[in-house]
Amino acid sequence: EDKVVQSPLSLVVHEGDTVTLNCSYEVTNFRSLLWYKQEKKAPTFLFMLTSSGIEKKSGRLSSILDKKELSSILNITATQTGDSAIYLCAVNNAGGTSYGKLTFGQGTILTVHP
Amino acid sequence: DVKVTQSSRYLVKRTGEKVFLECVQDMDHENMFWYRQDPGLGLRLIYFSYDVKMKEKGDIPEGYSVSREKKERFSLILESASTNQTSMYLCASSLRWGNEQYFGPGTRLTVT
Repeated sequence: EDKVVQSPLSLVVHEGDTVTLNCSYEVTNFRSLLWYKQEKKAPTFLFMLTSSGIEKKSGRLSSILDKKELSSILNITATQTGDSAIYLCAVNNAGGTSYGKLTFGQGTILTVHP
Repeated sequence: DVKVTQSSRYLVKRTGEKVFLECVQDMDHENMFWYRQDPGLGLRLIYFSYDVKMKEKGDIPEGYSVSREKKERFSLILESASTNQTSMYLCASSLRWGNEQYFGPGTRLTVT
């Protein structure tokens, strides 16, 4: 059974801090790993990491895939209150009956205080 | 911009009622998905569809069914709602397998 585990489950920081969110996975045939940000509505897509694209960056957010350790991190530097959200990690399986499906982790709830 | 819309943001139903949740996407995406989201459990896949009239069970299909009569529309049906189906329901679509999924705003369903 595919499994995605995120840590920590929740995190409280102050504006300006740097945070690192973790995601580890066990899937039978890894295809890609995706990060989403969810505020009070729909999850919005942040990054997709694959074997050919193991590092992505957008502004203060960056993410790295470690295929050897079967994990990924999402870094947010100089956090702002607008970064407060649930961050979801999902893994796309490329084979078998799970082909094309995303398996999500539990999510990390990030709270940024002014 | 991809747009995925869901018929209701909030819904309250009684135990035993039949419930329809509608999802529409406007980008001609092949694949559509229904998830439920519960605290501490993340998103769990209920059903998905990779073509019109095609459907596949996800990880937790029990108590649910789906319908995809048109490419842009994917409906989730609770045949006889129960209190343990109180949850946030999210619809998503993707252009092809392996592409990122785009989510609708969600429907918070309460079954009393």
